[in-house]
Amino acid sequence: DQQVKQNSPSLSVQEGRISILNCDYTNSMFDYFLWYKKYPAEGPTFLISISSIKDKNEDGRFTVFLNKSAKHLSLHIVPSQPGDSAVYFCAASDSRNTGNQFYFGTGTSLTVIP
Amino acid sequence: GAVVSQHPSRVICKSGTSVKIECRSLDFQATTMFWYRQFPKQSLMLMATSNEGSKATYEQGVEKDKFLINHASLTLSTLTVASAHPEDSSFYICSARDAGAGTDTQYFGPGTRLTVL
Repeated sequence: DQQVKQNSPSLSVQEGRISILNCDYTNSMFDYFLWYKKYPAEGPTFLISISSIKDKNEDGRFTVFLNKSAKHLSLHIVPSQPGDSAVYFCAASDSRNTGNQFYFGTGTSLTVIP
Repeated sequence: GAVVSQHPSRVICKSGTSVKIECRSLDFQATTMFWYRQFPKQSLMLMATSNEGSKATYEQGVEKDKFLINHASLTLSTLTVASAHPEDSSFYICSARDAGAGTDTQYFGPGTRLTVL
């Protein structure tokens, strides 16, 4: 079964507004989480990460929030720009597993409308 | 939910040996599978696109004679690293597109850690 889920396959947001992308996971052993951004015909590009010792990590317009009790993380983009239009994947891993396998969600396609 | 598995999850080998990595879609048919390699800063580089029953399409700069891809069935694609060398050590991830989903949804495997001594 999918251990990382992104239940919204698509999202449309007006330019300048906030984009919120959600991700849920089932494995309580996951302690490291990442967000990737993917343009068509390219590989996913690392965007931002968060360790389970934190509940928030911010990098410019991108902020990731982690709610461990709910096994939920979200990516906030504010303000949203047309160039942010892409597919966003969340991924999770158990860093104590030296194989460092990543479990990806199925992605959310974000469209920022100018 | 759709699941993609990779085997093995990690492999350590000596320089010069060949390593095969399997990517399987467990409950759906995948006419297209993708192979990625993880680079520093954790970004994934698309290596090749594997289509069932036809030759893989390699991205520029990826040696097709070194990274052999076979998509023998709708649920299995294999990546063989031929005569692996230490510089091939990396994390390899596959993803599969669900042919029946009607969308561009990709399901990622958990990855394979290759260490070449």
